[in-house]
Amino acid sequence: QSVLTQPPSASGTPGQRVTISCSGSSSNIGSKFVYWYRQLPGTAPKLLIYEDNRRPSGVPDRFSGSKSGTSASLAISGLRSEDEADYYCAAWDARLSGPAFGGGTKLTVL
Amino acid sequence: QVTLRESGPALVKPTQTLTLTCTFSGFSLTTSGMCVSWIRQPPGKALEWLARIDWDGDKHHSASLKTRLTISKDTSKNQVVLILTNMDPVDTATYYCARTVTTVTNDGFDIWGQGTMVTVSS
Repeated sequence: QSVLTQPPSASGTPGQRVTISCSGSSSNIGSKFVYWYRQLPGTAPKLLIYEDNRRPSGVPDRFSGSKSGTSASLAISGLRSEDEADYYCAAWDARLSGPAFGGGTKLTVL
Repeated sequence: QVTLRESGPALVKPTQTLTLTCTFSGFSLTTSGMCVSWIRQPPGKALEWLARIDWDGDKHHSASLKTRLTISKDTSKNQVVLILTNMDPVDTATYYCARTVTTVTNDGFDIWGQGTMVTVSS
């Protein structure tokens, strides 16, 4: 069982806005920054969001992150077929003494 | 250009010790804020962080695997080595190394290697 909880799947149609949730606790999301990664099939993950809501250079502003209490969300607007991938949230966990990942959400673009 | 590349055996037997090497370029692990972590992903499953070594020599290990893990660096060769003892079939996974620049993305892994698949089987 992952320390951070994500829905196993999500879906949307092209152009739509979708959100993916990530639930944790006071030992991780509630007190530490949240990160989001996208993993295309057969490839390594890529950093999408860091420090809750900041985008690395090159990540389009269609991707946004938010956090409230012990939960976080990733929003993708203007959904495209190439957004079909697995998305993972992560946050440092005091009990693990390191980063904890969510179980991942498989996004399908219908 | 920053790159990381994992190398090591594709197949190990149960109870054996796994040694993986991450060879990187485009940055120095002596620069303040630079860190390299190992992360693994069993087939079809989620990511799991294993260990991190920092520019100043500090080491962080997953609490659940701490007794089996050793991480070290050779700054002259731009390499980070992970040793995982007493391998078991449940350790079968793709192993990634990834960079963190704490002064830029805090704990975020901004650059990843392509990963190396390790199968544990007799």
